[in-house]
Amino acid sequence: TQLLEQSPQFLSIQEGENLTVYCNSSSVFSSLQWYRQEPGEGPVLLVTVVTGGEVKKLKRLTFQFGDARKDSSLHITAAQPGDTGLYLCAGAPLGGTSYGKLTFGQGTILTVHP
Amino acid sequence: NAGVTQTPKFQVLKTGQSMTLQCAQDMNHNSMYWYRQDPGMGLRLIYYSASEGTTDKGEVPNGYNVSRLNKREFSLRLESAAPSQTSVYFCASSDRRRTEQFFGPGTRLTVL
Repeated sequence: TQLLEQSPQFLSIQEGENLTVYCNSSSVFSSLQWYRQEPGEGPVLLVTVVTGGEVKKLKRLTFQFGDARKDSSLHITAAQPGDTGLYLCAGAPLGGTSYGKLTFGQGTILTVHP
Repeated sequence: NAGVTQTPKFQVLKTGQSMTLQCAQDMNHNSMYWYRQDPGMGLRLIYYSASEGTTDKGEVPNGYNVSRLNKREFSLRLESAAPSQTSVYFCASSDRRRTEQFFGPGTRLTVL
């Protein structure tokens, strides 16, 4: 069974601060995704990283996939109240019959205070 | 283009009652999934269907059954609800060639 450990579980910061969320595993993944979920709604995909060492930027959000494809991080620069939500990482298996079955981390609840 | 739709949005059951959660997608996706979400535990896979006509167990299948009615629809049934099944249930779908999943808005289920 593949596991993804996400940290921290809770993050409460002031507007303008920077933050990083980590997603770690002992397993190798073919790709890793980050989702954002708002209260009362389903998760929405933010980004997929596929190549070891890959870095993707989405405005103030920077996503990195570890060289060994076992871990990932999400860095937010100058956080805003609109960034508030639950952030989930999810790893895709290497293939075979498990293709498409994602393993999710426990999630990070981010609160950005004005 | 509605994406993934789920009904009902909220449901309260008594222990032992049964119910079916409905899910439909209009993106012509082959794969569909049912998850439950509990505080501090992320999303846990209950059942999934890689393609029409096939279903398989996920991480937490006990107490649930599923039916892939056609390519669009994937239902989740609780035959005899238990308080431990109080949770938020999400349906998702994905294209067979990609791993990104698209989620419905969820069903909040309380079992008394």
